[in-house]
Amino acid sequence: QVQLQESGPGLVKPSETLSLTCTVSGGSMNSYYWSWIRQPPGKGLEWIGYIYYSGSTKYNPSLKSRVIISVDTANTYFSLRLRSVTAADTAVYYCARDVRRGYFDYGMDVWGQGTTVTVSS
Amino acid sequence: QSVLTQPPSASGTPGQRVTISCSGSRSNLKTNTVNWYQQLPGTAPKLLIYSNDQRPSGVSDRFSGSKSGTSSSLAISGLQSEDEADYYCAAWDDSLNGVVFGGGTKLTVL
Repeated sequence: QVQLQESGPGLVKPSETLSLTCTVSGGSMNSYYWSWIRQPPGKGLEWIGYIYYSGSTKYNPSLKSRVIISVDTANTYFSLRLRSVTAADTAVYYCARDVRRGYFDYGMDVWGQGTTVTVSS
Repeated sequence: QSVLTQPPSASGTPGQRVTISCSGSRSNLKTNTVNWYQQLPGTAPKLLIYSNDQRPSGVSDRFSGSKSGTSSSLAISGLQSEDEADYYCAAWDDSLNGVVFGGGTKLTVL
């Protein structure tokens, strides 16, 4: 079955760029959307954005000016870049497979285990 | 302040039936389906209900979902200690053009 694994630095300095990768194993990336979600310490979930396997993207309006999500289907991974980070970006970052078919939303059915990113000097 | 509104906490005793509400608006729950996620302590969220009332394979039939207008509910029957977790509703929002989550409900089994 499909598995997702996040990777990247656990510590990022303020004003720098956070970069994470989600490796997809056990299945194809084709025909799916691939999302990033984050969870600040002790708080709820926040959707960052997603990318379709073909490369089209949608982002959370509150983060849109700082976020880029990219995909490499040949090597089965997708990535998150969040620039100009502050302490407010400290969170557990999750990647997930998002299943949508036309107007039908089948939810985020596969999640990575999450990776903690701390923004601090 | 989350776009979808959930009570911050809920509780019940073993065997009891509990419900968790999720309130939205015309731009999200009125026009789009809702999904529910369960997050056990220290773990990643897990899809519990999709498309308002559908259970993924492997999810217990003690969990059920419903939606009416701009509100949705998650019901858990035969409450068990292992149900103690945070529960989140989520839906597409046409105005924000993205996914919105509820603030989460922490369920305690007394």
